[in-house]
Amino acid sequence: DVKVTQSSRYLVKRTGEKVFLECVQDMDHENMFWYRQDPGLGLRLIYFSYDVKMKEKGDIPEGYSVSREKKERFSLILESASTNQTSMYLCASSFDRARGSPLHFGNGTRLTVT
Amino acid sequence: GNSVTQMEGPVTLSEEAFLTINCTYTATGYPSLFWYVQYPGEGLQLLLKATKADDKGSNKGFEATYRKETTSFHLEKGSVQVSDSAVYFCALISNTGNQFYFGTGTSLTVIP
Repeated sequence: DVKVTQSSRYLVKRTGEKVFLECVQDMDHENMFWYRQDPGLGLRLIYFSYDVKMKEKGDIPEGYSVSREKKERFSLILESASTNQTSMYLCASSFDRARGSPLHFGNGTRLTVT
Repeated sequence: GNSVTQMEGPVTLSEEAFLTINCTYTATGYPSLFWYVQYPGEGLQLLLKATKADDKGSNKGFEATYRKETTSFHLEKGSVQVSDSAVYFCALISNTGNQFYFGTGTSLTVIP
């Protein structure tokens, strides 16, 4: 089974802090994604990556950046955390988007910014 | 453009009742369609998928048929259990695109 591991289940950070959310997948997947999930808004794509050192903006990239130095690891960075970034963050990976491969999700990181 | 619309919840059913959660889509090209399930406090898990018209995806008693003529992918289960209580998401990826598109989710509660 594919395993997508997010480093923290719960995080509490202060406004203005730099926050790192880490995600690792163990199936040599090409594609990795970061979503945030908010009540009533569903899942919204923040950033995604199709290869090492490659990144593309999703629907809501403002206030975030990402890093993919190794194929298995995809990090989401909040440069200066704000209260409106309090949310559930979900990392996902997939093998081959061209063939409709499904996304495999981690268990999520619930971030609270105070 | 691409989008997914699914029925709003919450849905509350008694154990052993029949479940239908409606999902319709718009897409460019020929999308692959998915249902995901999210249990409390967890990430999303793939429940079933279908990659072409008339395909039926099935898993754990759940089924959904890819209907191109009605652009639908409704989720059904003949007899729900308390353990099926979760949030269900319909999703698609177009074969011409590079993103997944999710519905807003439907919360299901099954009562004994």
